[in-house]
Amino acid sequence: GQQVQQSPTSLVLQEGENAELQCNFSTSLNSMQWFYQRPGGSLISVFYNPSGTKQSGRLTSTTVIKERRSSLHISSSQITDSGTYLCAMTGGNYKPTFGKGTSLVVHP
Amino acid sequence: ETAVFQTPNYHVTQVGNEVSFNCKQTLGHDTMYWYKQDSKKLLKIMFSYNNKQLIVNETVPRRFSPQSSDKAHLNLRIKSVEPEDSAVYLCASSWDWGNYAEQFFGPGTRLTVL
Repeated sequence: GQQVQQSPTSLVLQEGENAELQCNFSTSLNSMQWFYQRPGGSLISVFYNPSGTKQSGRLTSTTVIKERRSSLHISSSQITDSGTYLCAMTGGNYKPTFGKGTSLVVHP
Repeated sequence: ETAVFQTPNYHVTQVGNEVSFNCKQTLGHDTMYWYKQDSKKLLKIMFSYNNKQLIVNETVPRRFSPQSSDKAHLNLRIKSVEPEDSAVYLCASSWDWGNYAEQFFGPGTRLTVL
């Protein structure tokens, strides 16, 4: 079945540093979505990005279908960026599969 | 702005009891999902309905059953809960199953089984 690998598992940054989160998938891609989740909170959609590059403020997502990967770049990290980032993909069967997430902690 | 609503927010119950969770979306979407998020934060899909038809029925214990009255509502019933059912149950919706699958999530229902 389709598998989704996220890296790194956890990341600790000083405020102002940049972060690069990766999501690799094992099958052909139909859709890709990145989510943000605070402890005890729900999932907030950050990007729906099946292909190409999308930017929103300090966040940029790039999905390269041929290389079976998607990335989320956070520039000039802030304390409020702390939380868990999850990627979810669907393949040919359209069934969503989530990665295990990257836990991000940003210190002042 | 919340458009996927779940009730209750929390539920504590004893082993063997029956529980029901409700989900409603006001986005006009055709597809709805139930996920289970365990203590390690891993999300796994349990069920999905498209236009009131069951299209995803993962390998979950038979005590779990989804119920869809219309496109906007998808409830989850658990008969005779077990301790391993303690988790957060998340409901989501999307325009369609397939190419328009951007998902929007509700706030979740945290179940604790004593």
